[in-house]
Amino acid sequence: KAGVTQTPRYLIKTRGQQVTLSCSPISGHRSVSWYQQTPGQGLQFLFEYFSETQRNKGNFPGRFSGRQFSNSRSEMNVSTLELGDSALYLCASTSSSWNEQFFGPGTRLTVL
Amino acid sequence: SQQGEEDPQALSIQEGENATMNCSYKTSINNLQWYRQNSGRGLVHLILIRSNEREKHSGRLRVTLDTSKKSSSLLITASRAADTASYFCARGTDKLIFGTGTRLQVFP
Repeated sequence: KAGVTQTPRYLIKTRGQQVTLSCSPISGHRSVSWYQQTPGQGLQFLFEYFSETQRNKGNFPGRFSGRQFSNSRSEMNVSTLELGDSALYLCASTSSSWNEQFFGPGTRLTVL
Repeated sequence: SQQGEEDPQALSIQEGENATMNCSYKTSINNLQWYRQNSGRGLVHLILIRSNEREKHSGRLRVTLDTSKKSSSLLITASRAADTASYFCARGTDKLIFGTGTRLQVFP
């Protein structure tokens, strides 16, 4: 079974721009979660989608948004980028049995 | 802080030695998961231990859970240079809350 895939792997943007990241979960997994990892704040939960609906949301500003499609693929969008948005963005898909979350390789976003 | 605390923050050992990492948390849990992260890469799922389990094994990994002390430990036996990574515990179901991580360095 293929793992979680994320595209792109690396991205460089400038302040004020917007960015869209993509995540394809493991086949059969219907829940997708997004996390931000920075050296200062560690791993922080952004949001979780299940069956195309946002089910949980972390404490991030409205500039961070996401969606999930009918095939469970998910995208997250960050608008009006700030320098502090530079981070590794990780996507995880969840097995329905015991809520094990399996992560993709991440997208490294650099905001200049 | 909602995050769990892990200790030590960093650990350096020689190949063949055992490595133990500890994780403490503040609220009740249904399960606890342990992950490994190689430098700047994605998280690799290691073990999930349920709240009604006290110990779980996977290869050279052993995880214990003490819900009365709100703590868990990850033991890596006979460590290898390839075990060099950061290790995180995470609690929660739909929304994982991660510990601060332990950076393990295994010298050949």
